[in-house]
Amino acid sequence: EPEVTQTPSHQVTQMGQEVILRCVPISNHLYFYWYRQILGQKVEFLVSFYNNEISEKSEIFDDQFSVERPDGSNFTLKIRSTKLEDSAMYFCASSLDQQGWYGYTFGSGTRLTVV
Amino acid sequence: GNSVTQMEGPVTLSEEAFLTINCTYTATGYPSLFWYVQYPGEGLQLLLKATKADDKGSNKGFEATYRKETTSFHLEKGSVQVSDSAVYFCALSAINTDKLIFGTGTRLQVFP
Repeated sequence: EPEVTQTPSHQVTQMGQEVILRCVPISNHLYFYWYRQILGQKVEFLVSFYNNEISEKSEIFDDQFSVERPDGSNFTLKIRSTKLEDSAMYFCASSLDQQGWYGYTFGSGTRLTVV
Repeated sequence: GNSVTQMEGPVTLSEEAFLTINCTYTATGYPSLFWYVQYPGEGLQLLLKATKADDKGSNKGFEATYRKETTSFHLEKGSVQVSDSAVYFCALSAINTDKLIFGTGTRLQVFP
């Protein structure tokens, strides 16, 4: 069964540093997403990406965050200057359609620890 | 706005007990509804889904029926196993929005 692949599985970074989280969505999917889950809390939407541009973003997704699909297969989330409160599990997801009629497929996540 | 409300956990059951995890939603129009499961140390896996009223999603012995009249999508399983221990998330995808909105998650612990 096709998978969404995320790398790295765990990243530790110092406060103020830039991090790039990487994802390879399912190849024929058209919509791409980032979500995050702070430890013990609910899963929160960050951003969606379609047709090479951001289609929707949450209040969390401020100027410190950016997304890119540089080469038609990878989908990246960049945090320019990490803060302690950015520590969370970050999930990439992809779907064939906007409504998820065929389901959203999530990766296994990248655990980001900011120290 | 759109939202999902799940019953608080943890839910603690003995093996072979009947499981119900309640989920209700608020949304405009006819959202798609999902249950995701997160096993310890792992990511989110789609458990089942329903895209219109009265649809029943089912997988691995779990079932949930999309009830428009009660705006609910309760998860049920007739006989739980220890291996079902995980956190279960109810979620919706509303019309004209890209995002999944998740409930807070319900931890299920099944003991032998």
